[in-house]
Amino acid sequence: QSALTQPASVSGSPGQSITISCTGTSSDVGGYNYVSWYQQHPGKAPKLMIYDVSNRPSGVSNRFSGSKSGNTASLTISGLQAEDEADYHCSSYTSSSTWVFGGGTKLTVL
Amino acid sequence: EVQLVQSGAEVKKPGESLRISCKGSGYSFTSYWITWVRQMPGKGLEWMGRIDPSDSYTNYSPSFQGHVTISADKSINTAYLQWSSLKASDTAMFYCARLSSGWYMGNWGQGTLVSVSS
Repeated sequence: QSALTQPASVSGSPGQSITISCTGTSSDVGGYNYVSWYQQHPGKAPKLMIYDVSNRPSGVSNRFSGSKSGNTASLTISGLQAEDEADYHCSSYTSSSTWVFGGGTKLTVL
Repeated sequence: EVQLVQSGAEVKKPGESLRISCKGSGYSFTSYWITWVRQMPGKGLEWMGRIDPSDSYTNYSPSFQGHVTISADKSINTAYLQWSSLKASDTAMFYCARLSSGWYMGNWGQGTLVSVSS
């Protein structure tokens, strides 16, 4: 099971919008609407930000949104804030009844 | 409030065995699967496997099958991850997480750091 592909890093200035991509195959991202995104600050446990491609858990800012097209899912953060600086990980359920993560993307707020 | 509380950091030597734990509270422990995730130093998250605490059915990532064992004791709302013979390459942070019905990891433990060195 290969890891999903994410860019190693992205950056943006406060107030701007950024998008992080997460590319898999038809056996994972493309085959199921079970893509989730996690935010992880240094030294902390991951936190769920988006589930089932585009749903936000209670308490997560509506600046965070998710989408999917084919085998690629995306996380968009609008109105970038300093507190958004963190690592972001995507995950998908797979046809093998397992889960797979992406390599993670480091977001820098300039 | 849903909580997953993991056991403390461990320092071990190669060849030693280890079991770390994850205790759930604030919900029906047998109603949600528990999954384990590895994070090696400076690296991304890796899905290791999951267990259904109601019947202890497990499935593993091919990358971890045969190298670790996931178990659970529903009488004390606790899941476990264990190694029979640790290697230096097992040095990592390990997280447990609760799998919610939409196949996402909605709640996470605080992590257990395992250090293996001679």
